[in-house]
Amino acid sequence: AQTVTQSQPEMSVQEAETVTLSCTYDTSENNYYLFWYKQPPSRQMILVIRQEAYKQQNATENRFSVNFQKAAKSFSLKISDSQLGDTAMYFCAFMKRGGAQKLVFGQGTRLTINP
Amino acid sequence: NAGVMQNPRHLVRRRGQEARLRCSPMKGHSHVYWYRQLPEEGLKFMVYLQKENIIDESGMPKERFSAEFPKEGPSILRIQQVVRGDSAAYFCASSSDERGGRNEQYFGPGTRLTVT
Repeated sequence: AQTVTQSQPEMSVQEAETVTLSCTYDTSENNYYLFWYKQPPSRQMILVIRQEAYKQQNATENRFSVNFQKAAKSFSLKISDSQLGDTAMYFCAFMKRGGAQKLVFGQGTRLTINP
Repeated sequence: NAGVMQNPRHLVRRRGQEARLRCSPMKGHSHVYWYRQLPEEGLKFMVYLQKENIIDESGMPKERFSAEFPKEGPSILRIQQVVRGDSAAYFCASSSDERGGRNEQYFGPGTRLTVT
């Protein structure tokens, strides 16, 4: 079974700073996807960024980028030029390719951006 | 294109009552997933359904919980004889059959169930 671990329960930075959220996972699979989801106070789950394990290039979406280290099973999220609207819970998630393709989530990191 | 819809958004039930949670997937999506989020925790997979079929229910408690996704109408997650420990947010997600579409799940706003 796959597990996802987020070791930082809470983080807090000043607006405009850069912040990195950590995520490690455990799997014996070779083909899979990794995701970061954002859950603001509205509780809506919003997909931030996605990485396909077979791609070596790190995914980037505007201010959001990942550092994917497949051998180390590490998948961190970097938020550049952080904004107040980035305040939310952030969840790292794993999905095995094929089969049911269900998401396995980490425990989450509560990120607060201070003005 | 409307997103994934869930209703009700909030549901209060007394212990022993039944809870019915509804999920309408995005238009064109035939895969539905239900997840449960306990307070201060991540989401946990419960069940995966396609139209009229349960594909994977490995995350769903064996007793009191059931799910369906009929040919017509929304997917329903049913919890019988609710207990306080069922209090949680229940999220539905859907994905499409298109090439590569199944690896992208779109989430609804969730139903927050409170058992008193």
